[in-house]
Amino acid sequence: DTEVTQTPKHLVMGMTNKKSLKCEQHMGHRAMYWYKQKAKKPPELMFVYSYEKLSINESVPSRFSPECPNSSLLNLHLHALQPEDSALYLCASSQGRTLPYEQYFGPGTRLTVT
Amino acid sequence: KNQVEQSPQSLIILEGKNCTLQCNYTVSPFSNLRWYKQDTGRGPVSLTIMTFSENTKSNGRYTATLDADTKQSSLHITASQLSDSASYICVVSLYNNNDMRFGAGTRLTVKP
Repeated sequence: DTEVTQTPKHLVMGMTNKKSLKCEQHMGHRAMYWYKQKAKKPPELMFVYSYEKLSINESVPSRFSPECPNSSLLNLHLHALQPEDSALYLCASSQGRTLPYEQYFGPGTRLTVT
Repeated sequence: KNQVEQSPQSLIILEGKNCTLQCNYTVSPFSNLRWYKQDTGRGPVSLTIMTFSENTKSNGRYTATLDADTKQSSLHITASQLSDSASYICVVSLYNNNDMRFGAGTRLTVKP
């Protein structure tokens, strides 16, 4: 099983809402990632978890709050977002962080902030 | 300036034709280079990965080349199909921490 799943596929939320994005993998990978991708742009790294600990936060605003409850799950909690946060949010996982392990991407959550 | 430059930005070809996409990078120290295919609104899917010592890698109709001396890579698609329409992203990883640097992608459209 080389699948990374993400839910929901689409999400529309107002600027005062609180919502969460969910990512799951069952490949035994110990590194998980959140990326943000705007239209016609490459993915931008937001957060990296390694062995369930946050190892990289790419200066992401606090209205995005990641959580890694266990080695298979990664959440992204959203609160008080802005319209410019509308984007495709991609989750990825890899066996580890240091060696050139393959990153497997999920299908993404299309987020629209109104 | 982006450390990974891809060309062309977009490309339209007819079904059955071949095409070549380019990737030039200045990322250092180099660890590996990946080509991903990304359908619109979907996550990227890995096509090939090459380390410093590899200069060619094939995956079906996709063949990637790497010249680590000139820091150039290409992705050749043979006998294109309509399903090849997608963005193709070149990603270079750094040796010390495996951080990834993404190119802006080439948007390929295959027409019947």
